[in-house]
Amino acid sequence: QSALTQPPSVSGSPGQSVTISCTGTSSDVGSYNRVSWYQQPPGTAPKLMIYEVSNRPSGVPDRFSGSKSGNTASLTISGLQAEDEADYYCTSYTSSSTLVFGGGTKLTVL
Amino acid sequence: QVQLQESGPGLVKPSQTLSLTCTVFGGSISSGGYYWSWIRQHPGKGLEWIGYIYYSGTTYYNPSLKSRVTISVDTSKNQFSLKLSSVTAADTAVYYCARSYCSSISCYVEEWGQGTLVSVSS
Repeated sequence: QSALTQPPSVSGSPGQSVTISCTGTSSDVGSYNRVSWYQQPPGTAPKLMIYEVSNRPSGVPDRFSGSKSGNTASLTISGLQAEDEADYYCTSYTSSSTLVFGGGTKLTVL
Repeated sequence: QVQLQESGPGLVKPSQTLSLTCTVFGGSISSGGYYWSWIRQHPGKGLEWIGYIYYSGTTYYNPSLKSRVTISVDTSKNQFSLKLSSVTAADTAVYYCARSYCSSISCYVEEWGQGTLVSVSS
């Protein structure tokens, strides 16, 4: 299975919005709504931010939202804050009953 | 709130077998719907899913690692384990154990251990 494709980096100023894309295939992202997103600040374990494409776990700010179109899922962070600076990873369930991660995107808050 | 804790050697020699155990606290490993996962992160790189196991013993592995990986579960100790054989320097990484929730409409990693660095070196 190949890793999902994410942009290596994105950036934005405080208060702005940024969107991170996650492109897979018809064997993973395109076939299932089992797409999730994780935030990983430096030196820490990842944290679940979005599951089932667009659902937020309790405690995750509504500034974080997810969507999907075809083989591409997206994470949008609105009203950027300095604390949002981190690496972000998507993952998808696959037709082989496995999980596959994206390569990760480094978000810089300017 | 479930917590997971990895344990095992931090240094493994090339060609040997890497062995890690994850102990689950605050919840039963036999709870339905949860798949107990291993995920690794090479230094400065992204996350790589290794595999997961259901409490019944059903396993699923990353195809690229399948020939070298064994994940097992011990429900009596509330633990699950990872064995990775024939390791090389390319297996040096932080290894995370995690709990994944999977159903007919969902599959995501909801809880993570703190991670443990395993280095492969002679």
